[in-house]
Formats: sequence, C-alpha cells, structure tokens
Amino acid sequence: GDSVTQMEGPVTLSEEAFLTINCTYTATGYPSLFWYVQYPGEGLQLLLKATKADDKGSNKGFEATYRKETTSFHLEKGSVQVSDSAVYFCALSAGGATNKLIFGTGTLLAVQP
Amino acid sequence: NAGVTQTPKFRVLKTGQSMTLLCAQDMNHEYMYWYRQDPGMGLRLIHYSVGEGTTAKGEVPDGYNVSRLKKQNFLLGLESAAPSQTSVYFCASSTGQGIHQPQHFGDGTRLSIL
Repeated sequence: GDSVTQMEGPVTLSEEAFLTINCTYTATGYPSLFWYVQYPGEGLQLLLKATKADDKGSNKGFEATYRKETTSFHLEKGSVQVSDSAVYFCALSAGGATNKLIFGTGTLLAVQP
Repeated sequence: NAGVTQTPKFRVLKTGQSMTLLCAQDMNHEYMYWYRQDPGMGLRLIHYSVGEGTTAKGEVPDGYNVSRLKKQNFLLGLESAAPSQTSVYFCASSTGQGIHQPQHFGDGTRLSIL
C-alpha cells in the first residue's frame, strides 16, 4: 500500500543554519504531496504542496520539489529561525473516493538561538 | 473565521466510561476525518465521511463510532474507553474535490484514559 517515510528526529540546528528534512514515498498512482507543520499545542497547518512531478512548493522560505524519479519530497530552508521550531509532517494523497492523507511519522525540529 | 473547531480540548476518563468528541467546520466542506496522533506513529485515520449521512472506517476504527447527521458536524464516540485510546485526536475537513485539495485541521483534543 501507499506509505511515507521521513527522517527520524529530533533535528537540532542553530539559528540561520540550512535545513533539510528528507521524505520519500511509495504510491501506485500519481499522488499529491504535502508538508504540514505542527507548532506546540496546535493542530496541523498546511505548509506547502506539490501536485505533479517536478513541481516546487514553497511558503515562508521553505521549499520542496516533487521528484518522481527518486520518489522524494525533501523539505528545505536556507536559514532557519527559532520560530521554525515545530514538528514537520510529510504526507501524500493518492485520491480515490476519500482523498485520505497518509502521513509520515513526523520530524521534530528544534532551532537554538 | 473559525475553520475547524474541536471540543473539548482536554478530557480525562476512567476505563469503561463513554464520551463524544465534537468537530464543527464552517467552510462548507464535504469531507471530514478523524485522526489519532501517537508518539512515533504520525497521524492515523480512524473514520471519515464523504458527505452528510455517510461514514466509513479508516485505518484504526476499532473501539470508535462516528456520526455525520449535519454537514458541518462530525462526532467521534468512545463507547467504553480503554487506556490504549489515550491519544491526541484531530479532526480535519476538505472540499473533497480532487487529490490536490489540502485538509484543514482543528487544534486537537488531548484525551487521557486512566
């Protein structure tokens, strides 16, 4: 079945460091891919999405490119801030009748000043 | 602009007690979902609904029931709570119009079963 694998955390970085969180997926069709962010004590918020191969999603300085050849959707940011500390979830939607999301296990990012 | 609202935010139950979690959305979305979030396991789908009056099982439905009597509301029930149901529960909704549409999440209900 469809699945998402993302790198284990926690990831601890200093402010202004470069961030990469790896995400790979397995899907039989042509899924849409999403990154969600969860700040402490809050629900999940959509960070960015990509709907087809080679699409680049971007928001708030974060970027991710839909790579069909490597089945990957890695999240990157050039210079992280303390306010970026959160849990990041990679997810896919393979469609069908339900539009269910399949999530990775989440990666905790802690940014230190 | 409330979006998705979950009540209650916190609850402590004793084993065997029952309760209902309420999810309300004001975006006129067709699809609604209940997930549970457990450490190291991401979010897992419990039940979902593709429209008023419809419900279906997700990945981990055992021990839960749901109802969607009104389009804007999606209720999750625990008939006889067990410690294994201690978790954070999230409700989400989407337009359902194609796989490109994101889901919108509530802030969660933190449930502890003693």
